[in-house]
Amino acid sequence: DVKVTQSSRYLVKRTGEKVFLECVQDMDHENMFWYRQDPGLGLRLIYFSYDVKMKEKGDIPEGYSVSREKKERFSLILESASTNQTSMYLCASSLQELDEQFFGPGTRLTVL
Amino acid sequence: KQEVTQIPAALSVPEGENLVLNCSFTDSAIYNLQWFRQDPGKGLTSLLLIQSSQREQTSGRLNASLDKSSGRSTLYIAASQPGDSATYLCATSGGSYIPTFGRGTSLIVHP
Repeated sequence: DVKVTQSSRYLVKRTGEKVFLECVQDMDHENMFWYRQDPGLGLRLIYFSYDVKMKEKGDIPEGYSVSREKKERFSLILESASTNQTSMYLCASSLQELDEQFFGPGTRLTVL
Repeated sequence: KQEVTQIPAALSVPEGENLVLNCSFTDSAIYNLQWFRQDPGKGLTSLLLIQSSQREQTSGRLNASLDKSSGRSTLYIAASQPGDSATYLCATSGGSYIPTFGRGTSLIVHP
């Protein structure tokens, strides 16, 4: 079974802090994705990566950056956390484009 | 731009009922459609993936159908159980290779 893990289930940070969210998949998938999910807005794509060191902006990249130094790991970085970044963050991976997506358990981030 | 709509937004049914969840999309040029389940506060679990060349996929009590020409997919759940209570989301993948998600249908199956 594909396993996608995320570094934290719950995280509380203060405004202005630098925040790292990590995602690891164990099935040698090419593609990895970061979404945020908010009530009434659904899932929104922040960034995705189709290869090591490659990244593409999604629908809402502002205030975020990403890093993919190894194939299995995709990190989401909030350079200076703000209260409007309080959300559920979901990581996903797929073998290649158009393949089935597998999601991690999510990280509930609260920025105070 | 693709838009994916799921109606109804919420559904409450008694245990044992057969039920149908709907997913409609505006651009029929899709490569596949995926159904997910999400329990409160958790990630998405993949249920079924239907390729554009397929009409349906089955897994246990779940059956998903796809009609590209009409821009519709349905998820049929047979003999519903309280453990089926969750939010069900559909997502299409098209030319941009990035999935477009619906907002989901929140299902409650009461004993």
